[in-house]
Amino acid sequence: DAGVTQSPTHLIKTRGQQVTLRCSPKSGHDTVSWYQQALGQGPQFIFQYYEEEERQRGNFPDRFSGHQFPNYSSELNVNALLLGDSALYLCASSPSQGEKLFFGSGTQLSVL
Amino acid sequence: SQQGEEDPQALSIQEGENATMNCSYKTSINNLQWYRQNSGRGLVHLILIRSNEREKHSGRLRVTLDTSKKSSSLLITASRAADTASYFCATDAGSGYALNFGKGTSLLVTP
Repeated sequence: DAGVTQSPTHLIKTRGQQVTLRCSPKSGHDTVSWYQQALGQGPQFIFQYYEEEERQRGNFPDRFSGHQFPNYSSELNVNALLLGDSALYLCASSPSQGEKLFFGSGTQLSVL
Repeated sequence: SQQGEEDPQALSIQEGENATMNCSYKTSINNLQWYRQNSGRGLVHLILIRSNEREKHSGRLRVTLDTSKKSSSLLITASRAADTASYFCATDAGSGYALNFGKGTSLLVTP
């Protein structure tokens, strides 16, 4: 049983570019959440997707957008990248009423 | 903003010793969870304690919750080198679906 998978594992971009990160949830999970973790900090909630809709959003600008597909996989898109967007981006999945999150290994994004 | 704050920021102990880390939070919660993160990769869920519970055990882990003080503690008994990791508390803070994480405690267990 595969857990949460994320791709790519590492990514280097330059300021102003756009990036798309991908996530496949754990089998049986229909809810996907995205978190941003800066170096030395705890994860910060970006948004959560359920039934292909954004169910809740954290304090992130509109440059951050997402999508959930019918197979429950999800994408995180970030436009007009800033240096401050450099971070580990974590995807977590759960059943719709689940409280415990299952995390992927993350995508390390570096913006130069 | 971070809801929880872990204390200490860093902890270094020897194998066999107990490790205690604390978490304080600001608003009412439904539950509090502890997660572990190895080498800046994905987080692994350790234990969940509900607001009406005061103590919970799972293997070598013991978690306490004091809602009147808005604080929790995680005790790892008989630590092993493999316990070396960062530990985060996370609260739902009644905010719906988001989990609010603290900055974490970095635990180093030396042989």
